[in-house]
Amino acid sequence: NAGVTQTPKFRILKIGQSMTLQCTQDMNHNYMYWYRQDPGMGLKLIYYSVGAGITDKGEVPNGYNVSRSTTEDFPLRLELAAPSQTSVYFCASRPPGGPTEYTQYFGPGTRLTVL
Amino acid sequence: KQEVTQIPAALSVPEGENLVLNCSFTDSAIYNLQWFRQDPGKGLTSLLLIQSSQREQTSGRLNASLDKSSGRSTLYIAASQPGDSATYLCAVGSHTGTASKLTFGTGTRLQVTL
Repeated sequence: NAGVTQTPKFRILKIGQSMTLQCTQDMNHNYMYWYRQDPGMGLKLIYYSVGAGITDKGEVPNGYNVSRSTTEDFPLRLELAAPSQTSVYFCASRPPGGPTEYTQYFGPGTRLTVL
Repeated sequence: KQEVTQIPAALSVPEGENLVLNCSFTDSAIYNLQWFRQDPGKGLTSLLLIQSSQREQTSGRLNASLDKSSGRSTLYIAASQPGDSATYLCAVGSHTGTASKLTFGTGTRLQVTL
């Protein structure tokens, strides 16, 4: 299993541009998450999904959109990029079942700079 | 709103020392508490998960404890090695909307010197 994969690894955007961060998992996990990590800070939840066709907002959803058309893929869309969106973005997934005993599996991250 | 604090922010120890990392949280209504390791430029690797009904978990040289009533957890690393150098993140699992979520602390950056 490749686990959770993210593309691209690095990206520089100009203010106002848009892009999609890709996330794919091959573990048949129904729960998927997007986080951002600013320098020296912990991770903050942007959006999450409990299965194909079902998504919900996390702590910091403004400026982002998501979709979940398949179990494997959970892309994150940035519209009208702003310097405040400069961050490292992590995608994660979790197996189905009770939340107490299962951890989340993280991808390697996408480092995004908006200039 | 759940808040997670980790102390110290950074720690440098000589190889072979035992050390303790601290994590505190404000809301005791949690599913679990997890410790992750993050290497520079890499993703997060789960080290230990303590369910809300448990008091501690052990894996090799690592031992994590949980005291829900006081909102505290510690990660104990025995006989530290240079390969343990990384940032250690504490995360609390709790309910949100239709799923569970993790609330992270800002991490403790550990350096183990020769």
